[in-house]
Amino acid sequence: EPEVTQTPSHQVTQMGQEVILRCVPISNHLYFYWYRQILGQKVEFLVSFYNNEISEKSEIFDDQFSVERPDGSNFTLKIRSTKLEDSAMYFCASNPTHEQFFGPGTRLTVL
Amino acid sequence: GENVEQHPSTLSVQEGDSAVIKCTYSDSASNYFPWYKQELGKGPQLIIDIRSNVGEKKDQRIAVTLNKTAKHFSLHITETQPEDSAVYFCAAIGNFGNEKLTFGTGTRLTIIP
Repeated sequence: EPEVTQTPSHQVTQMGQEVILRCVPISNHLYFYWYRQILGQKVEFLVSFYNNEISEKSEIFDDQFSVERPDGSNFTLKIRSTKLEDSAMYFCASNPTHEQFFGPGTRLTVL
Repeated sequence: GENVEQHPSTLSVQEGDSAVIKCTYSDSASNYFPWYKQELGKGPQLIIDIRSNVGEKKDQRIAVTLNKTAKHFSLHITETQPEDSAVYFCAAIGNFGNEKLTFGTGTRLTIIP
């Protein structure tokens, strides 16, 4: 069964450094998302992406964040200058219509 | 925007008993309500969903009910098993065409053998 994959599974970085989180959505899906989950809290929406552009973003998704679909398969989330409060699990999701399928996540630790 | 409340935050039930988790939503335009199961260290896994044009949906031991008038929906798990232990999240999509999921705060379900 097709699934969303994410790399790396765990990323440790120093505050102020740039990180790129990578996702490979399910191949025939049209909508792509990034969510984050701070430890012990609920999953929060960051950004949605459709037809090669951002369709919606939350207030969390400020100028430090960007997304890109550099080729036909990858979907990336870049954080330009990480802050301590960016430490969280980051989930990529994709869907053909309503049902969103989530990847296993990347645990980002900012020191 | 949409706001989803979820109760209880923790739930312990004896193996074989039923578990019920309840959610309310604020946006009357919401039309799709999925439930996700999250095991430790993993991503949310879609287990069942319901659309606003139906009141109930069942899949083996799992069922979801929706009351549009009251703006609440519930997850029912019958004949619980140890592998049902996980965190369960309800979610809603706020507006037709807006595919952003708004999640509830989660319920940690523990099945006691």
